[in-house]
Amino acid sequence: EAQVTQNPRYLITVTGKKLTVTCSQNMNHEYMSWYRQDPGLGLRQIYYSMNVEVTDKGDVPEGYKVSRKEKRNFPLILESPSPNQTSLYFCASSALASGYVGELFFGEGSRLTVL
Amino acid sequence: KQEVTQIPAALSVPEGENLVLNCSFTDSAIYNLQWFRQDPGKGLTSLLLIQSSQREQTSGRLNASLDKSSGRSTLYIAASQPGDSATYLCAVKGSQGNLIFGKGTKLSVKP
Repeated sequence: EAQVTQNPRYLITVTGKKLTVTCSQNMNHEYMSWYRQDPGLGLRQIYYSMNVEVTDKGDVPEGYKVSRKEKRNFPLILESPSPNQTSLYFCASSALASGYVGELFFGEGSRLTVL
Repeated sequence: KQEVTQIPAALSVPEGENLVLNCSFTDSAIYNLQWFRQDPGKGLTSLLLIQSSQREQTSGRLNASLDKSSGRSTLYIAASQPGDSATYLCAVKGSQGNLIFGKGTKLSVKP
């Protein structure tokens, strides 16, 4: 079954404790991306990757890191989490057609709380 | 900077009605526009993708149109059902690979 898998789905942590949210897709998609969703602000893009070893900042990259060492994985790293990073995070992937992003497939989301 | 607006923010209709959800964007230089559905506590499910060269796309009871020159897209839902209740989001892809989302329209279809 084609899917985007995020882990963990739920996490409560404390300020400053490094954490990683993993994202894996089994569709051989070139494009992968991370978003956060906050009430009243909607979905905002954090980082995206057009292919292995190619990453770019989205609209709200501050406080986050990503890496794309393999095509299927795109982990989101919070080196020193702060309470304002409490949010619902989504990973998504898409095939590229002539260099353009096509239909996006989303993971189920990871709800992160930073105390 | 691209901005995407969805009006109304919430909509409640009786079952069986046809309805239209609106999405507008400020920069017409887009590559594609995608409509999603989000159920509470769930991820987003892609409904329709319209390339910038297309005018509309259809899937079952859903029809999405795109007018790039006026910066607008509509999602038409025919014969609405209670199972259509969800939040509907539109997103436009800009020239730099980033994706900008609207804040969504929360639809409630009453039996």
